[in-house]
Amino acid sequence: DAKTTQPNSMESNEEEPVHLPCNHSTISGTDYIHWYRQLPSQGPEYVIHGLTSNVNNRMASLAIAEDRKSSTLILHRATLRDAAVYYCILRPSVAGGADGLTFGKGTHLIIQP
Amino acid sequence: DSGVTQTPKHLITATGQRVTLRCSPRSGDLSVYWYQQSLDQGLQFLIQYYNGEERAKGNILERFSAQQFPDLHSELNLSSLELGDSALYFCASSVTLLTSSNEQFFGPGTRLTVL
Repeated sequence: DAKTTQPNSMESNEEEPVHLPCNHSTISGTDYIHWYRQLPSQGPEYVIHGLTSNVNNRMASLAIAEDRKSSTLILHRATLRDAAVYYCILRPSVAGGADGLTFGKGTHLIIQP
Repeated sequence: DSGVTQTPKHLITATGQRVTLRCSPRSGDLSVYWYQQSLDQGLQFLIQYYNGEERAKGNILERFSAQQFPDLHSELNLSSLELGDSALYFCASSVTLLTSSNEQFFGPGTRLTVL
C-alpha cells in the first residue's frame, strides 16, 4: 500500500490559515487522497478528499500537487475547535481488497489563542 | 453527531473474560467497520461487514469476531481478553461498498479497560 508522510505536529494561531502537508510519493494513479481528523476524545471525522483537482468544502480545501506526490490540507481560518490530529490517507479506487482506512500517525495540530 | 451509535461507552473487565461491543450504523448505511485505537498501535482497521456479510479483514486477532445482523447493527466480540486489548474501539459506517470516494462516519467509541 502506498504510504503517507506527515509532520508529527504543527502549531498555528487562531484565525490564521493553516497548511497541513502530506507526502505520498508512491501514490498510484487510481488512489484517492482522503483527510480525516480526530478531535480530542472523539472518533475520527471525514474532512475532505480528492483525486487530481483541488477541492473545496465547508470545512477545508485540498490542494493536490500536479504530480500527485504531495497534497496540502488548508484550513482557511483556524479556530480552537480545529485542534485535532489530522490524518492523510490514500484509498484505492478499486473495490478489491480491504476497504478499511489505513491511518498513520497523523499531524497533531495545536491552535494558540 | 455522526449518527453512528456505540454501546457501552466504557467497559471494565478482567483478563480472560469475553465482552460484546455494539454498533448501530447511520440510517441507510449498509457497511460497518470496526477499528481499534491503542496508544502503541494507533488506529487500526479490524474488520468490515457489508449488508450482513464479512467484506474485509484487517489486523483482527483470532480471539475477536464480529457479525452484522439483518437490521444492520453490528457486534464485535472480544474473548480471552488480555491486558493489551485495552483500547478504544470505534465503529464506522458508510453507504455502499465504494472504496474510493465515500466517507466513513465514526461513532464515539467504546473504551475497554482490561484489568
